[in-house]
Amino acid sequence: DIQLTQSPPSLSASVGDRVTITCRASQTIGNYLNWYQQKPGKAPSLLIYAASSLQNGVPSRFSGSGSGTDFTLTISSLQPEDFATYSCQQSYSTPRTFGQGTRVEIK
Amino acid sequence: QITLKESGPTLVKPTQTLTLTCTFSGFSLSANGESVGWIRQPPRRALEWLALIYWNDDKRYNSSLQNRLTIIKDTSKNQVVFMMANMDPVDTATYYCAHQTRLEPRAFDFWGQGTVVTVSS
Repeated sequence: DIQLTQSPPSLSASVGDRVTITCRASQTIGNYLNWYQQKPGKAPSLLIYAASSLQNGVPSRFSGSGSGTDFTLTISSLQPEDFATYSCQQSYSTPRTFGQGTRVEIK
Repeated sequence: QITLKESGPTLVKPTQTLTLTCTFSGFSLSANGESVGWIRQPPRRALEWLALIYWNDDKRYNSSLQNRLTIIKDTSKNQVVFMMANMDPVDTATYYCAHQTRLEPRAFDFWGQGTVVTVSS
């Protein structure tokens, strides 16, 4: 199985901050990497697919980059509604796997 | 617009088999490339992928749980049924079904609201 390691597990940031979350795969996965946002008590929602493609309706302050084994999710200017947990997921092979999540909290 | 909704018991006893149904609209699971997956999330823990079923009845399972899992589709009812045998309290979680995109690289683009399942005697 492909393991995904996210860092950091959590972070505290202020509105307007630039936030970067990383996801490392245990083997090369090309661009088969997706990012999800999850708010408490809600289902995850797709933010970024294919490593860098923005899902319809997602604000442009979100961006993704990377290929192979190292990937990054960036929020260019953190907004109040962005405080949530972010998870990466690989679709290179089955079994599909998720990272452990990164909780973004208000500083 | 694609929608999915999970249904099933909220409480199961240890050793019982959990049966959940995902009822969807906005796509047909008989159409080329379509697929539906199940994902769970224990309280305050990470998402865990469980199973996938494709339009051609190809089925894929979580490696460590595959002996306990079954996924089937009923295209006439627009439903996917998920079963997990021999439930244990550690299986207490919110269970989600999700639509997987047709094209590669695939992603789970639409999710159900989730259903909370507690395992307790």
